[in-house]
Amino acid sequence: QQQVKQSPQSLIVQKGGISIINCAYENTAFDYFPWYQQFPGKGPALLIAIRPDVSEKKEGRFTISFNKSAKQFSLHIMDSQPGDSATYFCAASMTGNQFYFGTGTSLTVIP
Amino acid sequence: DAGVTQSPTHLIKTRGQQVTLRCSPISGHKSVSWYQQVLGQGPQFIFQYYEKEERGRGNFPDRFSARQFPNYSSELNVNALLLGDSALYLCASSLVHGGETQYFGPGTRLLVL
Repeated sequence: QQQVKQSPQSLIVQKGGISIINCAYENTAFDYFPWYQQFPGKGPALLIAIRPDVSEKKEGRFTISFNKSAKQFSLHIMDSQPGDSATYFCAASMTGNQFYFGTGTSLTVIP
Repeated sequence: DAGVTQSPTHLIKTRGQQVTLRCSPISGHKSVSWYQQVLGQGPQFIFQYYEKEERGRGNFPDRFSARQFPNYSSELNVNALLLGDSALYLCASSLVHGGETQYFGPGTRLLVL
């Protein structure tokens, strides 16, 4: 059973546009929700993370929106750049123990 | 500072063989987790170790085992390899058990023929 569901599977955005990736979870015990960025041949790198007591967190061009009642969270990439082209994974964990990852979104930003 | 290092980077084995993968965490980090990432999928949790003790185990068969050494480095062993074990094996380290910020290594690409 997939603990974290992620969509879309792939995304193509024009340079300067907004990229939006969505995730949903079922387990209300999850208390930490990170997003990872992965380039080909590399391990995932932590991008930004949020806890359920906050509805939004922004770091530079990256924003997480969190809807606790709907059990959904999303990543917004503002002013998307070709260098943002990568695979993005959402994840969830309970007190930093086992992390459950989504299936990933392949983002392509067209110049 | 060096990040998480893993060795080897690539490995080719045949079915039925055994493999050992190695991981060195970031200096000062005491917790190591192992993940399996099949092509096109997200990482799947295999094990978590802290202070040389297993603190978590994912839904993987007993063919998978791991250990952590006094210097906090770790090994993942997989016995009786199957074709389906072909994947990228990732190691992640965190400062403490339950440390939410996990830093991933580049992974070991295992191909089972």
